[in-house]
Parts: sequence; structure tokens; C-alpha cells
Amino acid sequence: GESVGLHLPTLSVQEGDNSIINCAYSNSASDYFIWYKQESGKGPQFIIDIRSNMDKRQGQRVTVLLNKTVKHLSLQIAATQPGDSAVYFCAEILNTGNQFYFGTGTSLTVIP
Amino acid sequence: DTEVTQTPKHLVMGMTNKKSLKCEQHMGHRAMYWYKQKAKKPPELMFVYSYEKLSINESVPSRFSPECPNSSLLNLHLHALQPEDSALYLCASSTRHPIYEQYFGPGTRLTVT
Repeated sequence: GESVGLHLPTLSVQEGDNSIINCAYSNSASDYFIWYKQESGKGPQFIIDIRSNMDKRQGQRVTVLLNKTVKHLSLQIAATQPGDSAVYFCAEILNTGNQFYFGTGTSLTVIP
Repeated sequence: DTEVTQTPKHLVMGMTNKKSLKCEQHMGHRAMYWYKQKAKKPPELMFVYSYEKLSINESVPSRFSPECPNSSLLNLHLHALQPEDSALYLCASSTRHPIYEQYFGPGTRLTVT
């Protein structure tokens, strides 16, 4: 598959702190990126997306940043809560439109 | 209704059994997907159906046989599976294919004995 990888497999943060989850990709033809959250026993849940012609996109408590120069994607979660504990996957969609790859995932643990 | 449902939630089957996994969505999506997910790994795409036609088969062994009877239903027929096929099988749907935002079901936890 394509190279969509995460820098850290696990991340622990204190409740109330901000979390940053990183993702690197290698294909400059990537058109679109999605962050998913997967809680234990559940399927992945869409969090936020960003197109390759954007640098930043904000949602509720989440911000995705895209740096195409270094092929890096990050997900920032503000004021992290215990309910944010999950595995977070970045996913890359190539502009051929038929290729979709999940990254390896980062397990986020929020410490009360 | 923004939900993808999957049945059963759990399935244990022997290597000689035949079973089926079912997936349903009523969001009017015209693309549906099967993924396989092993523990602590990302989902791996198996099949894509677009407008009820098989669009992508990611070199999946023939012991997995997908079926899309209509735009709301997706089945995965299982036959002569191996223990290494034990995994979480996820179904997803999206408004269309190529793939953009996908809605995932909760998955079926399959154990092959």
C-alpha cells in the first residue's frame, strides 16, 4: 500500500491538555485526507477532513493542519477529554480516486 | 438515518462452515465497502461496490465472496475460512465512489476455529 504512517503509536495526555497526533505521507498526488477516531469495539468514526488545496481546517475542538512541503498532516484536539481516548487513524485518498489508505494508527489515552 | 448496521456482532465458525455477514444502510449511499481489521492494525480494504456492481477486489481469496443484492444491502459470504481470517469485519458506505467520507458500521467480530 501507500506510505501513510504515524510518528507515534501511543500518546498519553492529561485531561484538559491539548493533543497533537501526527501523520506522514509520501505521495504528492494525494487529493484528500481524513482523520478517523475508533473507540474500542466500534467502527472508525469520521472526525474531520481536509483537501490538498487547504492548509488548515477547524472543527469542534479539532483542527487539522496540512503541510504539503514536508508531506505532513496533524490532528490537534483542544482540551482533551476522557471520551477522546481512542485510536486515531489518518487516511489518504489519492487523486486517482480509487485508492484509499489508512495510516497505522495512534492510540490516545487521556489521563484523568 | 445516518447509521450502518452489521449483523451478527460476533460470529464463531469452524473451517468447514458456511456463514454470511450482513450490512445495511438507508442513507441512499451508492458505494459500499468491506474492510478487514486485525487487532491493533488499521482497516484493510477488501471490496468496493459502486451502484451495486463490484468495483474493486483487493486480491481477496475466493473463500470470501461479496454480494450486493440492492443499494442498501451488502453481504459477505464466508466458506472454508482459516484461523488467520479471524478479525473484525467492517462495512462502510459513502455517497458515491471514488471514496470520500465513509460511514462505518460497528463491525462483526469473526473467530474461525
